[in-house]
Parts: sequence; structure tokens; C-alpha cells
Amino acid sequence: NAGVTQTPKFQVLKTGQSMTLQCAQDMNHEYMSWYRQDPGMGLRLIHYSVGAGITDQGEVPNGYNVSRSTTEDFPLRLLSAAPSQTSVYFCASSPQRANVLTFGAGSRLTVL
Amino acid sequence: QQQVKQSPQSLIVQKGGISIINCAYENTAFDYFPWYQQFPGKGPALLIAIRPDVSEKKEGRFTISFNKSAKQFSLHIMDSQPGDSATYFCAASRRGGGFKTIFGAGTRLFVKA
Repeated sequence: NAGVTQTPKFQVLKTGQSMTLQCAQDMNHEYMSWYRQDPGMGLRLIHYSVGAGITDQGEVPNGYNVSRSTTEDFPLRLLSAAPSQTSVYFCASSPQRANVLTFGAGSRLTVL
Repeated sequence: QQQVKQSPQSLIVQKGGISIINCAYENTAFDYFPWYQQFPGKGPALLIAIRPDVSEKKEGRFTISFNKSAKQFSLHIMDSQPGDSATYFCAASRRGGGFKTIFGAGTRLFVKA
């Protein structure tokens, strides 16, 4: 089983550029979420989805957009990248009515 | 506003020693308290978890102690090994709401051989 797959693993952007971080899971999990990890800040929730067609904001949603057209995929879009968005991004999924998160390996983003 | 506060930020322990990481939460609606372990270059993975109806849970060398009245919980790693060197996150969520898990800031543990 692949679990949660994130691409790309590394990306460098210039300020103002846009891009999409991809996340796919093959466990038929209903719930998916995006976190960013920054030193001393832990993991902060950006957006989450409880099923296809349903998304909502987490703690730090500004500057990010998400959609969920299928159960498997949950892409994260940066609309106009800023240096403050330099971070490691993790996608995670969990089954409905369960609290265990399965994380991807992460995507390291640098915005110059 | 950080709803889950974790300390210390970093910890160095001798091989065979006990590692202790503490967390405190604010929201009494939380009813599931997991600990995640993260190795460099990897995503976090569930290590052990507890619900507030018990005061302690043990799995091998890892133990969670939970104090509901104080809204605190801690991770104890007995007989710490160099392979335990990693970043540990405490977290909190509501039953069935794992997708909105709130994490502490993390503790970087280094176990000296």
C-alpha cells in the first residue's frame, strides 16, 4: 500500500508565483487535511475535508486554496506565494469517526 | 492561540535513561490525546494515544500519564535508546474529529549512546 503520497518533495518558488502541492491516498479515507510545519510552531492545520466536495478552513488558511473532487485527491494551491509560506507541508488522512492520522512524507517549499 | 502547550522544546538523555515530555491543553472538549513520532525527512506517525477515562496507558517502553483535572498529559520513554532520537508531538482532538487534530510545538529528543 502506498498510503499517502505527496508531490513534489521539494520546490523553490519566486514571490508571487502560484503552484499546487499534490496529495493522494489509496486507503479510501474520508477525511483529509493539510498541515504546515515550522520550527517551534509544531504542525498547524491549513485546510481539511470530510469528504468529496466538502472542505473547510483550519488555523492558518490565508493564502491557500483547496478542493476535493474525489475521495483520493486533496491538492493544496498557493495562489501567490510569499516568503512567509516557506515551510514543510504535510498531507494527512484518517478514516471517518477515527482519530488516527496517516501522514505523507512531506513537501518542502522555499519561497524566495 | 496555541491550544496545546508542549515542553521542553528539546531534550538530551543518556542511553538507558527516562525521557519525559509534558503537554497541557485548554479545551475540555478534547477527548483523544495521541503522541506522534517523527524522524528526520519523514512524516509524523502515531506512537501511542489515550482517552481521558484512564489515567495511564503503557505500550512497551512508552507510557502516557493523564491528569484530567489539571488538563495535562505526559509521555515517558523508559530505557531510552539512540533509535528513539526523533521529534515528538503531543496532540488533542475530539472523538471522530481526527481531521482537526491540534498539535503541540514538538520536542526534539536526542539519546546519547
